[in-house]
Amino acid sequence: GESVGLHLPTLSVQEGDNSIINCAYSNSASDYFIWYKQESGKGPQFIIDIRSNMDKRQGQRVTVLLNKTVKHLSLQIAATQPGDSAVYFCAEHSTRRGGGADGLTFGKGTHLIIQP
Amino acid sequence: EPEVTQTPSHQVTQMGQEVILRCVPISNHLYFYWYRQILGQKVEFLVSFYNNEISEKSEIFDDQFSVERPDGSNFTLKIRSTKLEDSAMYFCASRPTRTSGGAFSYNEQFFGPGTRLTVL
Repeated sequence: GESVGLHLPTLSVQEGDNSIINCAYSNSASDYFIWYKQESGKGPQFIIDIRSNMDKRQGQRVTVLLNKTVKHLSLQIAATQPGDSAVYFCAEHSTRRGGGADGLTFGKGTHLIIQP
Repeated sequence: EPEVTQTPSHQVTQMGQEVILRCVPISNHLYFYWYRQILGQKVEFLVSFYNNEISEKSEIFDDQFSVERPDGSNFTLKIRSTKLEDSAMYFCASRPTRTSGGAFSYNEQFFGPGTRLTVL
């Protein structure tokens, strides 16, 4: 069935290092992917998205990579800061569902811990 | 910066009681959503709403759930007879209409801070 999942539940990195968070998806019809950040006690916050016609997209200190061949998505955070500590979720959507069918399917989340 | 707001932040209720969770989406947004997150688990889609009607709902969104946009600003989720397993964080989200100019982030949904529902 459809699923979006993350490989690692917890990732610990040193402040200033780069981090990579991975996500696997199984729905081959997925063509739009989003990374959300969720801090404790808050709702998910949009970070960056990518469409399936791209394999890389960059934002400020973040890069999302998409490998459609193996159905893999990753979020790279450069020069991590204490404020990057949060749970990161990938989410997907298939535009082929059409119309108003735009509910997002979320993965399980990876807890990123930034060590001082 | 405009944001989605939700009230209350925490709702405690007895099993079998009705609850209404309230949301005020961002003012120029026209697509509205409810999601829930059971403690320690992933965020799950419940329902999407557009043009005063449900456009999509998940298997979770059964007859005990309903949504309403009673006026031009509020968007509510009602659970008719709560069960213990309804205990979760409930997030409201909204997004703007897709633009004909082809804005990239066409499904960027903005989430509220959530309402923690505890069913005893």
